Amino acid sequence: GAGVSQTPSNKVTEKGKYVELRCDPISGHTALYWYRQSLGQGPEFLIYFQGTGAADDSGLPNDRFFAVRPEGSVSTLKIQRTERGDSAVYLCASSLGTSLPPDTQYFGPGTRLTVL
Amino acid sequence: AQSVTQLGSHVSVSEGALVLLRCNYSSSVPPYLFWYVQYPNQGLQLLLKYTSAATLVKGINGFEAEFKKSETSFHLTKPSAHMSDAAEYFCAVSVEQGSQGNLIFGKGTKLSVKP
Repeated sequence: GAGVSQTPSNKVTEKGKYVELRCDPISGHTALYWYRQSLGQGPEFLIYFQGTGAADDSGLPNDRFFAVRPEGSVSTLKIQRTERGDSAVYLCASSLGTSLPPDTQYFGPGTRLTVL
Repeated sequence: AQSVTQLGSHVSVSEGALVLLRCNYSSSVPPYLFWYVQYPNQGLQLLLKYTSAATLVKGINGFEAEFKKSETSFHLTKPSAHMSDAAEYFCAVSVEQGSQGNLIFGKGTKLSVKP
């Protein structure tokens, strides 16, 4: 079946601009995660949705970052007034979110964001 | 707070040799532990996970890892490396036991396999 998809695959923008990154999770997955991976680093947690609500947004670095999941499926990560330090690969993952121990998180291919 | 340390940012082995990638964790509660692999230009793929059942966990592609509480380790091994194993490997710990919370990843170890 289809995996997690992310669009665009690459995004180049100028400092100060607004960007939106989209994630389509695996159908039926109620949990959705956003991570950020900088060069030479492991993925760093940003925000986690259970259904439509953000269950944990403690990883968002500041108020320029915001994410939504209005219908409990597709999610959009929004970054305002982009800075060069925001350049990274943004990863989305989804899981069934219904059982214990934690379900496997399935990752998308990522969106590479470059802020000039 | 939970954390993960991967010793060695780059490991090189010969084809057919043992692969050993090291991971140590820090957690105040019994953890859930994961190994993911990232091939070039691809997304992260789960290799295996420890969820408090058997301490020796077998994963895909011949990899396995052993949870050692006394050493706070979860090292990844494979008896015989193959060229196709060349990739970056990430160890991760789940933040909260029994929840669907996020993962905390190590910095990764890049595995090179020489012919």
